[in-house]
Amino acid sequence: DVKVTQSSRYLVKRTGEKVFLECVQDMDHENMFWYRQDPGLGLRLIYFSYDVKMKEKGDIPEGYSVSREKKERFSLILESASTNQTSMYLCASSLLRGAGVEQYFGPGTRLTVT
Amino acid sequence: DQQVKQNSPSLSVQEGRISILNCDYTNSMFDYFLWYKKYPAEGPTFLISISSIKDKNEDGRFTVFLNKSAKHLSLHIVPSQPGDSAVYFCAASYTFGNEKLTFGTGTRLTIIP
Repeated sequence: DVKVTQSSRYLVKRTGEKVFLECVQDMDHENMFWYRQDPGLGLRLIYFSYDVKMKEKGDIPEGYSVSREKKERFSLILESASTNQTSMYLCASSLLRGAGVEQYFGPGTRLTVT
Repeated sequence: DQQVKQNSPSLSVQEGRISILNCDYTNSMFDYFLWYKKYPAEGPTFLISISSIKDKNEDGRFTVFLNKSAKHLSLHIVPSQPGDSAVYFCAASYTFGNEKLTFGTGTRLTIIP
């Protein structure tokens, strides 16, 4: 069964802290994605990765970075958290190019920055 | 620039009736479309998809219709059940592109018992 897990369901951090959000998939998928979901804005892509050590910016990369050292793990880093980064963060993965674009999502991490 | 739009933020439907959720897109290069369903505090789950070579795809109670000339797709749920109450997102992609999905803003569907 398809499984994407995220390290925390709820997280509260202070302004200026460095924040790590971890995502692990057990499906041997090549592609991994980080989104944030905000009311009225839908899901917006932050960063994605096609392969280990590869990353590409999505639509809203400012204030974020990512790391993919292993195929199954994709980390989202907030270098200096700010209140406007309070959001629901969703990780997803998908198979190789040409095998379909269906993405499988984790349960999400609700991050609050105070 | 919102390339995928869901103009109805919410929709209420009686149990047993048909639910119709709509989605419009502006980028004519999109050729693959998906619907996702999301419950509170859970990640979205894939529901149904359609390629631009088709105009209809069915899966049980769910049917997606695609009108390429109007750049419009819709999801029909018949009959609607209480468990269908959720937020529905449409998404679009290029089949042979980089697998990025562009999502709409979502429609909250409430099924009234």
